[in-house]
Amino acid sequence: DAGVTQSPTHLIKTRGQHVTLRCSPISGHKSVSWYQQVLGQGPQFIFQYYEKEERGRGNFPDRFSARQFPNYSSELNVNALLLGDSALYLCASSLGQGITEAFFGQGTRLTVV
Amino acid sequence: QKEVEQDPGPLSVPEGAIVSLNCTYSNSAFQYFMWYRQYSRKGPELLMYTYSSGNKEDGRFTAQVDKSSKYISLFIRDSQPSDSATYLCAMRRSYNTDKLIFGTGTRLQVFP
Repeated sequence: DAGVTQSPTHLIKTRGQHVTLRCSPISGHKSVSWYQQVLGQGPQFIFQYYEKEERGRGNFPDRFSARQFPNYSSELNVNALLLGDSALYLCASSLGQGITEAFFGQGTRLTVV
Repeated sequence: QKEVEQDPGPLSVPEGAIVSLNCTYSNSAFQYFMWYRQYSRKGPELLMYTYSSGNKEDGRFTAQVDKSSKYISLFIRDSQPSDSATYLCAMRRSYNTDKLIFGTGTRLQVFP
């Protein structure tokens, strides 16, 4: 069985640009969460989506947005990129809201120059 | 004060040693506790998932939760060079959220 897949694996963007990151959850998983991990730190929660509805939002500016599609895949969008947005962006999927373990993808490494 | 505190290390041990990794937390609402292993530039891999106080064992790994002290531990027996990675503790408040609060991670190096 495929695990959580994220694309692209690496990305280089210029300040002010927009970026879209994609995530496909494990088959059967309906909940997708997004995290930002800056080098040397633990992942920080950005969003959670369950059954296509936003169920949680972390302390991130409105430049960050996300959505979940009918097939439970998800996109994270970041507008007006800043140098400080450079990080590993992780997607995690689980069967449902808080009742099971969360499994992470390999992440998308975003570099903003 | 951070909700979850974890010693960043690095922790360097010889092969075969018993490793103890720890996290403390301040919010008594945390109910679910996890340990993830993360290799350099990779996503976190779930090692252990526990609920409530007590011990849980899986192979060479033992997770321990002490809610009264707000303290969790991960023990690795017979450590191997392949265990060299960053270990992240994570916690969740309740059943109706997937939001995980992570520690900063502890870098572990096991040398032959």
